[in-house]
Amino acid sequence: AQSVTQPDIHITVSEGASLELRCNYSYGATPYLFWYVQSPGQGLQLLLKYFSGDTLVQGIKGFEAEFKRSQSSFNLRKPSVHWSDAAEYFCAVGSEYGNKLVFGAGTILRVKS
Amino acid sequence: DTEVTQTPKHLVMGMTNKKSLKCEQHMGHRAMYWYKQEAKKPPELMFVYSYEKLSINESVPSRFSPECPNSSLLNLHLHALQPEDSALYLCASSQPIRSIYEQYFGPGTRLTVT
Repeated sequence: AQSVTQPDIHITVSEGASLELRCNYSYGATPYLFWYVQSPGQGLQLLLKYFSGDTLVQGIKGFEAEFKRSQSSFNLRKPSVHWSDAAEYFCAVGSEYGNKLVFGAGTILRVKS
Repeated sequence: DTEVTQTPKHLVMGMTNKKSLKCEQHMGHRAMYWYKQEAKKPPELMFVYSYEKLSINESVPSRFSPECPNSSLLNLHLHALQPEDSALYLCASSQPIRSIYEQYFGPGTRLTVT
């Protein structure tokens, strides 16, 4: 069965600092990986996705993520965080059949000025 | 247009009420989903419709009854809910289910059961 682990429940970074959010997955076949962001009381917005090909994927809002099969990881990065990036971030893995998404527990990002 | 809309935004209902949540998309997607998100938890899949037919039911109690009247609409009928059903209910849509495509989420309906 698929599973996703986000080891950090909360992360606080200073505005302008770099950011890395960790995600580890468990899946027997080729994983389909996603990062979503959720602001308080809102729905989820897709930041980026990995299906195949180049292991470094670019997303919206200046985010990128790197797929590392050997480490079963799909970490999200941003070189310079803005106060508006404060939100909860979810990593998710999807299966090829059924399009069922399994989400990690989420990481809450706080940005201090 | 990559928008999924949900109504109402907020809903308060008693345990004996019957209410419905509505979801609409005009992206031509043929797969639609209902998720439940409890406070401080990730979304959990409830139902999946593919080409207007129910394809996945994640053992959801029968007090939740989904309906997909056409390719753009998805409803969730609620009856005799319990206080523990209070949560954010999210709708999502994607391209057909036999390929992996990203899901687009609506803003959700905040449900409170009293």
